[in-house]
Amino acid sequence: EAGVAQSPRYKIIEKRQSVAFWCNPISGHATLYWYQQILGQGPKLLIQFQNNGVVDDSQLPKDRFSAERLKGVDSTLKIQPAKLEDSAVYLCASTAGGGYTFGSGTRLTVV
Amino acid sequence: DAKTTQPTSMDCAEGRAANLPCNHSTISGNEYVYWYRQIHSQGPQYIIHGLKNNETNEMASLIITEDRKSSTLILPHATLRDTAVYYCIVRVTNTGNQFYFGTGTSLTVIP
Repeated sequence: EAGVAQSPRYKIIEKRQSVAFWCNPISGHATLYWYQQILGQGPKLLIQFQNNGVVDDSQLPKDRFSAERLKGVDSTLKIQPAKLEDSAVYLCASTAGGGYTFGSGTRLTVV
Repeated sequence: DAKTTQPTSMDCAEGRAANLPCNHSTISGNEYVYWYRQIHSQGPQYIIHGLKNNETNEMASLIITEDRKSSTLILPHATLRDTAVYYCIVRVTNTGNQFYFGTGTSLTVIP
């Protein structure tokens, strides 16, 4: 089966610019997660979707981060405006109820 | 927050068994233990999971203590490609089956 697809693979932006990441989960996986992984740390959950609804966004910095999954399939995560501390790998994962399958992530560098 | 504690780093000789410990003393009765690994620049990869019984698959074995407060991941014959960060995760059932990652164990397989 195809894995979780993420794009772009790498992104470099200046602080205060905006950026968007895209994720296409495994077909049929109702639950989708976005994680932020700062260098040297484990992934940190940002938001969880069930179909097209938000289950948990308590860890999402809503003043600058937003995410949507309008049709319950693919999802986008946006940062506006970006800060230096947003430099990280942004991972998308999906599940049908058991273990997660992760994408390869988008490495964001904010300069 | 992560419900697990792991050693920060470990070394293992190539061809020998790698035994990676994990403490999860606050685990609840219906919470599963999952193990993932992350090779540099990739998303976390599923290895194995279990609830009470020991589990084995083509990648590894998982030994869970009878009181379920700790577990050990065993890679029976470590190769250089097993060098990675290994995460022990308790899947928290009362928060949407979310995974909370700790900092993991950085395993280095030495030739």
